[in-house]
Amino acid sequence: GAVVSQHPSWVICKSGTSVKIECRSLDFQATTMFWYRQFPKQSLMLMATSNEGSKATYEQGVEKDKFLINHASLTLSTLTVTSAHPEDSSFYICSARDGLGDYNEQFFGPGTRLTVL
Amino acid sequence: GQNIDQPTEMTATEGAIVQINCTYQTSGFNGLFWYQQHAGEAPTFLSYNVLDGLEEKGRFSSFLSRSKGYSYLLLKELQMKDSASYLCAALDSNYQLIWGAGTKLIIKP
Repeated sequence: GAVVSQHPSWVICKSGTSVKIECRSLDFQATTMFWYRQFPKQSLMLMATSNEGSKATYEQGVEKDKFLINHASLTLSTLTVTSAHPEDSSFYICSARDGLGDYNEQFFGPGTRLTVL
Repeated sequence: GQNIDQPTEMTATEGAIVQINCTYQTSGFNGLFWYQQHAGEAPTFLSYNVLDGLEEKGRFSSFLSRSKGYSYLLLKELQMKDSASYLCAALDSNYQLIWGAGTKLIIKP
C-alpha cells in the first residue's frame, strides 16, 4: 500500500522558535495533502488542505501566518510552526491523497509530536 | 451543520464481539471510513463503505445505511491488541473527511 513518512517523529523546542515538519509520499504522487492536529484524547482536527503548486486552504480558526504550509512537489509538503508557544504542543499528522489512485482514500503519516517548552 | 456521533468509550471482553455505532450528518456523502488509532500513533485504515450493506474483512466488518445516516464497525474474536480508539469519518460532497471524536475500546481479559 501507499506509504507516507513524516520527519521528525518528535521534536522539543523552546518557546519562540520555529519548527518545520516534512511530509513525504514515498511511492505515489500526492496531488493533495492534509495537515491535522490532535490534542490528547481528542479526535483529529483538520488544519489545512494543500494542493501541489497552489496555496493551502486553511480551516476556520487556523492562523495561516503561524502555520505555514508549502506543497512544492507531488511528493513533499511542509508545515512550519512559526514562533511556537506551549499551546502549540500537539500531535501533528499529515495525510496524502493519491492523484492516480482511489480518489477517496487518504494515507496517513506516522505523526510528529511537538513539545514546546 | 456537519456532525459525526459515536460513543466515547466501550468495554468488551477478550474473545467476544463488539459493535461500534456511528451516525453522521454531512453536506453530501461520498463514503464512510473507519480508522484504528493506538495511543500516540497515527490512524490506520480499516474500512471504506460507500454502498449500503456489510463489508467483511477478516475479524472486522463494517456496515452502512445511507438512508439512515448510520454505520457500524463489528469486531469479532476480540484480542487485547484491539484496544485502541476507533474513528468514524464521513466524506462530504467536497471530498473532505468529517471526523468523529473516536470511540475508545477497552478490552479486558
